[in-house]
Amino acid sequence: DAGVIQSPRHEVTEMGQEVTLRCKPISGHDYLFWYRQTMMRGLELLIYFNNNVPIDDSGMPEDRFSAKMPNASFSTLKIQPSEPRDSAVYFCASNPGTPYNEQFFGPGTRLTVL
Amino acid sequence: GNSVTQMEGPVTLSEEAFLTINCTYTATGYPSLFWYVQYPGEGLQLLLKATKADDKGSNKGFEATYRKETTSFHLEKGSVQVSDSAVYFCALREGNQGGKLIFGQGTELSVKP
Repeated sequence: DAGVIQSPRHEVTEMGQEVTLRCKPISGHDYLFWYRQTMMRGLELLIYFNNNVPIDDSGMPEDRFSAKMPNASFSTLKIQPSEPRDSAVYFCASNPGTPYNEQFFGPGTRLTVL
Repeated sequence: GNSVTQMEGPVTLSEEAFLTINCTYTATGYPSLFWYVQYPGEGLQLLLKATKADDKGSNKGFEATYRKETTSFHLEKGSVQVSDSAVYFCALREGNQGGKLIFGQGTELSVKP
């Protein structure tokens, strides 16, 4: 299996632009998670889905952030408009669910907003 | 609410030294406990886990024992190597929370030759 796939791996954009991060979970996994990692705040859970349905989006920082999962093999995290404080590494992870519950992380997208 | 607390880093050790990274948790019920490792420039990967009290998880020379009486899951390794330099995350999952994990803040380990 290829593991969790994220694209792009690096993104540099200017303040005010729209940014879309993409994730392909491991086939057959029921759960998908989006995290943000920064030096200041550590690893933060933004949102997670179960069977393509958003379950908990309480970690989404503002209305500028949105996430979708149109099908079991694809999810997007969108930031519009982007701001310099959004600069971080964004991870996607998937999980096959009970009883295993091991999360498999993608390599991350490093976002820099100038 | 549920939470995980790890000892602050960075932890700097010489090669072949003994490693302990402390982790304590607060949770209702009987959580499963995990250690994840993040090597530079990579995502997190599972290092070991334990699903019930007194279980010992082990992998790559690392061990951690699920201690319900002290709500702890400390990570240990008898002899660290330079290649163990990474950030280590303790995490818990409660039985009724589906796949959601609660992570500690991470502890950076640096091993010098």
